[in-house]
Amino acid sequence: QQQVKQSPQSLIVQKGGISIINCAYENTAFDYFPWYQQFPGKGPALLIAIRPDVSEKKEGRFTISFNKSAKQFSLHIMDSQPGDSATYFCAASRDSSNTGKLIFGQGTTLQVKP
Amino acid sequence: NAGVTQTPKFRVLKTGQSMTLLCAQDMNHEYMYWYRQDPGMGLRLIHYSVGEGTTAKGEVPDGYNVSRLKKQNFLLGLESAAPSQTSVYFCASSYSPRSYGYTFGSGTRLTVV
Repeated sequence: QQQVKQSPQSLIVQKGGISIINCAYENTAFDYFPWYQQFPGKGPALLIAIRPDVSEKKEGRFTISFNKSAKQFSLHIMDSQPGDSATYFCAASRDSSNTGKLIFGQGTTLQVKP
Repeated sequence: NAGVTQTPKFRVLKTGQSMTLLCAQDMNHEYMYWYRQDPGMGLRLIHYSVGEGTTAKGEVPDGYNVSRLKKQNFLLGLESAAPSQTSVYFCASSYSPRSYGYTFGSGTRLTVV
């Protein structure tokens, strides 16, 4: 079963616009939610992460919003740039396993048009 | 500083053949992982290791085996390849997964015909 569901599958945004990617999870034991960015031909790289004790975390143009009651979290990319064109993955893990295992969403391919 | 190195980068196998994918990291990381990436499926965990000499099954372990005899190396084996194992395979390592995240290799694209 897919424990982390990500949408949309693909997204096209104009330069300067806001890109929004959503994820929903099922397991209430999850307590760490990172986002990874992947460029073509490369492995994913950590972009930003949040824990459920905060509702929002911002790093530059990237913001994670977290809604614990709805079991949803989202990535907002402000002032989107062509260089942001990549595939984005949300993920989740739980501390009690002490394994660092991540459950990934299906991925969103973002295209920012100049 | 190479980070995480995966070999080979590309491989074509015939059904029933075997092969080993090598992952090497030079960052002294304890944690290592093998994921496969398929369109529309995201990244799915095959096997992982929390330290030298340890291995454990992930979400999709069937048809794969792993070994972690040395801390810096994590090997993924396919004993009898099947077309369903056509995928891009990523290795990742971490010092502290929940603090510093994963460092991924650049992937191995495997085609089984």
